Amino acid sequence: DAGVTQSPTHLIKTRGQQVTLRCSPKSGHDTVSWYQQALGQGPQFIFQYYEEEERQRGNFPDRFSGHQFPNYSSELNVNALLLGDSALYLCASSYGRGANEKLFFGSGTQLSVL
Amino acid sequence: GDSVTQMEGPVTLSEEAFLTINCTYTATGYPSLFWYVQYPGEGLQLLLKATKADDKGSNKGFEATYRKETTSFHLEKGSVQVSDSAVYFCALSDRQGAQKLVFGQGTRLTINP
Repeated sequence: DAGVTQSPTHLIKTRGQQVTLRCSPKSGHDTVSWYQQALGQGPQFIFQYYEEEERQRGNFPDRFSGHQFPNYSSELNVNALLLGDSALYLCASSYGRGANEKLFFGSGTQLSVL
Repeated sequence: GDSVTQMEGPVTLSEEAFLTINCTYTATGYPSLFWYVQYPGEGLQLLLKATKADDKGSNKGFEATYRKETTSFHLEKGSVQVSDSAVYFCALSDRQGAQKLVFGQGTRLTINP
C-alpha cells in the first residue's frame, strides 16, 4: 500500500517563475492538505482540499493556489515565485476532515528559488 | 492566534538517558495536541496525541500529558535509543479548524551510542 507520494522531490526555479507540485494521497484517503516548511521551522498550513474544493486556508497570499482532482490527487501552484518561497512543501492526506483523523505526510518537495 | 512554543534545540543525549522536550501552547478553546517526528529524508509521522485535558498519549516508549492548567504537552521517554535521533514537532489542532495543524519550530534530537 503506497503512502502519500509527492513529485518532484526536488525543484529549482528562478524568481518570477511559476511552479506546480503534485500529491497523490494514501489509498482510501479523500482529503489533502498542503504545508510549507521553511528551513529550521515547523510546517505552516497552506490550505486543505476536500471534494475538489478548498475548505480551509492559512495565511498565504493568492499566489498560492491549488486543485483537487476526482481521483483525490492534488496540485499546489505558486505564481510569481519569490526567494522566500524556498522551502520544503509537504502534502498530507486523511480519510475525512475530522479534527482527530490521522494525517499521513509525504516526504515533500524541496523547492529552491534562485 | 494559536501558537506552539518548543524547547530550543539541538538536544544531544547519550543512549539510555532520560528525555524531556518541553512544549507549551496558546489557544482559544480546547485544542487537540500532537507530537510528530521527522526522520531524515522522510515525512512527518504522528508519534502520539491527546484530545482533552489530563489525557496521556503514548507510543514507542514516548509519553506526553495534556496539562490545561499549565498549557503544556511535554514529551518524555525514560531511556532513549540511537534510533530516536530525529526532529520532533509539537502541534495543536483547533477543533473548529479540523486538521489545520499549528506546529512548533521543532527540536532536533541526537542520541550518541
